[in-house]
Amino acid sequence: AQKITQTQPGMFVQEKEAVTLDCTYDTSDQSYGLFWYKQPSSGEMIFLIYQGSYDEQNATEGRYSLNFQKARKSANLVISASQLGDSAMYFCAMRDVRGSGYALNFGKGTSLLVTP
Amino acid sequence: GAVVSQHPSWVICKSGTSVKIECRSLDFQATTMFWYRQFPKQSLMLMATSNEGSKATYEQGVEKDKFLINHASLTLSTLTVTSAHPEDSSFYICSVEYPIGNEQFFGPGTRLTVL
Repeated sequence: AQKITQTQPGMFVQEKEAVTLDCTYDTSDQSYGLFWYKQPSSGEMIFLIYQGSYDEQNATEGRYSLNFQKARKSANLVISASQLGDSAMYFCAMRDVRGSGYALNFGKGTSLLVTP
Repeated sequence: GAVVSQHPSWVICKSGTSVKIECRSLDFQATTMFWYRQFPKQSLMLMATSNEGSKATYEQGVEKDKFLINHASLTLSTLTVTSAHPEDSSFYICSVEYPIGNEQFFGPGTRLTVL
């Protein structure tokens, strides 16, 4: 069984600073995929970044980067140069086989507030 | 990227009535769609996997007779909350796995309030 753990219920960061959101996971699978999603107050789920377990390099997408430490089973999201619009819930998730496809198994989330 | 729509975006209903929520994949055909539920201040929990042309598979603890799923076409899955009660009030959101790459696309969600 999989388990995704996000230990930070809430985080504050000042505008233009960098922030790291923690995510640890547990799985018996050799091949797996990790995701980060952003959920603003509107409720929509916005895909940020993906890391495959066999990817040799840490994933990056613009201001988002994923600090993937496989041996420690951690996949922390780093947001550089925070903006006020980054204030939202952030969810770490792992791909989970369901039938012929993959659903997502989510952590509890971290609420990020960016202050001026 | 794929676009997924949901209708309605919000609904208020009386206790005991049934509510149907539609999830459409607008850009590609999806044999599999997923339904999640999110209570306030909580995470998304997978409810069921919607399979085109066959029965949905439900997660443990989700009542299949209460949450009816129909995936009649490759672009449409519906979730019907039958005999809704106030405890069914939640945010329901569907997702579609894009066949290329690893991304999952989510619908905008439906906020259900049962009075």
